[in-house]
Amino acid sequence: QSVLTQPPSVSAAPGQKVTISCSGSSSNIGNNYVSWYQQLPGTAPKLLIYENNKRPSGIPDRFSGSKSGTSATLGITGLQTGDEADYYCGTWDSSLSAMVFGTGTKVTVL
Amino acid sequence: EVQLVESGGGLVQPGRSLRLSCAASGFTFDDYAMHWVRQAPGKGLEWVSGISWNSGSIGYADSVKGRFTISRDNAKNSLYLQMNSLRAEDTALYYCAKGPARLWFRGGYFDYWGQGTLVTVSS
Repeated sequence: QSVLTQPPSVSAAPGQKVTISCSGSSSNIGNNYVSWYQQLPGTAPKLLIYENNKRPSGIPDRFSGSKSGTSATLGITGLQTGDEADYYCGTWDSSLSAMVFGTGTKVTVL
Repeated sequence: EVQLVESGGGLVQPGRSLRLSCAASGFTFDDYAMHWVRQAPGKGLEWVSGISWNSGSIGYADSVKGRFTISRDNAKNSLYLQMNSLRAEDTALYYCAKGPARLWFRGGYFDYWGQGTLVTVSS
């Protein structure tokens, strides 16, 4: 089982904003950087956010990340049909000595 | 352009072995840690194993510890995963992923991913 918990799904109309939460503990999110990945249908995951709130080159600023305590949040503004995908959070877990991922969230554009 | 191309997947019987490969290009391979991440059909992502730039440090998920062995050949820009004693629950798409740092336990993210190779364990 994943040690990071995400909502199974979120949805909103085009142009609107969605937020995806990622809940963990002091052994993972609480003391380590969080990353976020987008997985479009049938494709490999793609890095969206690293070190809590940094965007790799080429990722639009519609995507943002934040962290507070043992939780992290991914925000997507100006929602587009092309944003329909599964989104995963990830981090290092100091107790497990392993990389861990969230349960994943499916974003639907209504 | 960074490219990671996995190969070696296929159908294998429970208890048998399989070796996956990942050919890397577009970056200085021996400057970075590399990882394997898998995704069972219809399920989420699971980190499998990581290896530091010089193979000096290696980590495994508890689910594969003692059965899988990660290795790399920096002269060939290649990453490998030797999978022994395969089980039905190892059935998944296996991704090769690049870490942002030399040590596999540093950085905490994966900046590039391959397209994956499918491993099916079934009799």
